Amino acid sequence: DTAVSQTPKYLVTQMGNDKSIKCEQNLGHDTMYWYKQDSKKFLKIMFSYNNKELIINETVPNRFSPKSPDKAHLNLHINSLELGDSAVYFCASTPPAGVTEAFFGQGTRLTVV
Amino acid sequence: GNSVTQMEGPVTLSEEAFLTINCTYTATGYPSLFWYVQYPGEGLQLLLKATKADDKGSNKGFEATYRKETTSFHLEKGSVQVSDSAVYFCALSLGTYKYIFGTGTRLKVLA
Repeated sequence: DTAVSQTPKYLVTQMGNDKSIKCEQNLGHDTMYWYKQDSKKFLKIMFSYNNKELIINETVPNRFSPKSPDKAHLNLHINSLELGDSAVYFCASTPPAGVTEAFFGQGTRLTVV
Repeated sequence: GNSVTQMEGPVTLSEEAFLTINCTYTATGYPSLFWYVQYPGEGLQLLLKATKADDKGSNKGFEATYRKETTSFHLEKGSVQVSDSAVYFCALSLGTYKYIFGTGTRLKVLA
């Protein structure tokens, strides 16, 4: 069973389009995250949700809108895609108590052309 | 602010060489420290962790010791293998729903 799963794995789209990436975790975790990894492998947090509530929004453009219908899902919708949005997007989750490891999805490689 | 600094890569070693990847951190409070590994085309996986000063994390022959006095968490392995080729990330967490990652260090091990 995949613990944190993202779909799609690859996404190629044109500038100006709107797209969504879905993330689901079956670990019973309360906290989920979206990270962006650029071409140099730099990993930057975008959002953090705890029990469906937004906890962290790291000055991400408002074209990016996360949605958490329940604590097992955190989807990322991106409006008006730009070339600079091309990156690998990772979803992650952590258990409810204490500081412990984050479990990552396989990533979604987004290419905007 | 909180931050993690890793040595620039790529690091290229021959098989069975000794590996050190440096990591230092800045944090307000007492973070937990982690090393994650990313194999090509995959997500990040936890390699090891340490939650308090002087703790040593270890896994698969890799080790790192939480040094509060030098704010460091250097990753070491005595004898690397080709299969260790990956990108390694140092990270910290203060338990505030936020992990902060270093820039990653690419390791390439040659047979």
